[in-house]
Amino acid sequence: EVHLLESGGGLVQPGESLRLSCAASGFILSSYDMSWFRQAPGKGLESVSLISGGGNTYYADSVKGRFTISRDNSKNMMYLQMNSLRAEDTALYYCAKVARSTGADPWGQGTLVTVSS
Amino acid sequence: DIQLTQSPSFLSASVGDRVTITCRASQGISSYLAWYQQKPGKAPKLLIYAASTLQSGVPSRFSGSASGTEFTLTISSLQPEDFATYSCQQLNSYPWTFGQGTKVEIK
Repeated sequence: EVHLLESGGGLVQPGESLRLSCAASGFILSSYDMSWFRQAPGKGLESVSLISGGGNTYYADSVKGRFTISRDNSKNMMYLQMNSLRAEDTALYYCAKVARSTGADPWGQGTLVTVSS
Repeated sequence: DIQLTQSPSFLSASVGDRVTITCRASQGISSYLAWYQQKPGKAPKLLIYAASTLQSGVPSRFSGSASGTEFTLTISSLQPEDFATYSCQQLNSYPWTFGQGTKVEIK
């Protein structure tokens, strides 16, 4: 069964850093495109970053230069390094297996990031 | 970025009703559109991809269609478990953007 599990969320102050992890099981993560999405409290979904199976990376303008997506093929895991965090980065962060032609599925259960002083 | 305008934002309906949600793209996105269902405290669930292809395991009362830059999600007969928020997503160009969501509540 294909399964994703995020971890690493927490409460941090503005300007601090956090690294989110996404553990994949049931498939080889490096063979697929993978993405991070987020959802601020009471708001809609937003794309944050994507790493293609070939290793190309993409970012939303709002996080470009501050966030870095990566993966560890030996551990079958994906990461999101988040630096210079802002209050507006507060959200539930999801990882998902994605494909342009077939959408995002499955999704993890999410990990909450709260940026507040 | 491609904007997706979803309507309505809120919908009150009864069990058995036919429900239609519309998503309009600010530019052409071919058929790179997906629909998701999200219940409170849960991750989104993929319902439809490629504008009209039903994801495996999703009930056949859900359907999607497209006409130019306008996309539609239809629930033919609303069931109690369908009360949720529905969002469209374009995957034509990154960043893959979402509509603002349609909350379907019980009348």
